[in-house]
Amino acid sequence: NAGVTQTPKFQVLKTGQSMTLQCAQDMNHNSMYWYRQDPGMGLRLIYYSASEGTTDKGEVPNGYNVSRLNKREFSLRLESAAPSQTSVYFCASKTSGGHGADTQYFGPGTRLTVL
Amino acid sequence: DQQVKQNSPSLSVQEGRISILNCDYTNSMFDYFLWYKKYPAEGPTFLISISSIKDKNEDGRFTVFLNKSAKHLSLHIVPSQPGDSAVYFCAASISGTYKYIFGTGTRLKVLA
Repeated sequence: NAGVTQTPKFQVLKTGQSMTLQCAQDMNHNSMYWYRQDPGMGLRLIYYSASEGTTDKGEVPNGYNVSRLNKREFSLRLESAAPSQTSVYFCASKTSGGHGADTQYFGPGTRLTVL
Repeated sequence: DQQVKQNSPSLSVQEGRISILNCDYTNSMFDYFLWYKKYPAEGPTFLISISSIKDKNEDGRFTVFLNKSAKHLSLHIVPSQPGDSAVYFCAASISGTYKYIFGTGTRLKVLA
C-alpha cells in the first residue's frame, strides 16, 4: 500500500520557469491538500480540495495553481517560479471532508529550489 | 498572524524522563487539535488528536491535554525514548472546514 506519493523528490528551477508537482493517493480519500514547509514557519496550507471537483485557497495561494485531476490525483503548478518559492512541499490526503477522527496522511515531500 | 504557536523551537530530555511539548492558539473557534511527528526527509505522521469536548486523550506513552480557557494544549511523552527524537507539530481545525492550521514545530531530542 503506497499511501500518498509525490513526484519529483527533488527539483531545481531557474527563476521564471514553470513546473508541476504531482501527488497521488491510493486510500480512496476524498480530501487532498498541498502544504509548504519553511524553516521557522511550520507547515502552511497552499490549496486544498475537499472533494473531487472542488479546490479552495489556503493560507498562501499566491503564485500557485492546483488541479484535482480525479479522486486520486492532486497537482500543484508553479507558473513562473520565484526564489521565495524555494521550500519543501508536502501533499496530504484525508478520508472525509470534515474533521473528527479522520486524520491527514502526508507524502514524503518534494524539495524545490528556485535559483 | 500566527493562530497556532509553538514557542519552544527545541527541547532536550533524558531517556526515560517525561517530555512536555506545548502549543498555544488564539482562535476560540478551533475545536479539534492534532499532534504530528516528523522525521528528517519524511512527511509528518499523525500521532494523537483531541476534540474540544475533552480535556485529555491518551494513547500509550502519549497524552494530550487541552485547556480551553487558556487556549493551550500540551503533549506529554512518558517515558521518552531516543526514537521519539523528531520535530513535533501541533495543528488546529474548525468544525465544518477542511483546513488545518499548523504551528511552527518543536524539535525534540531525547538523549540516551
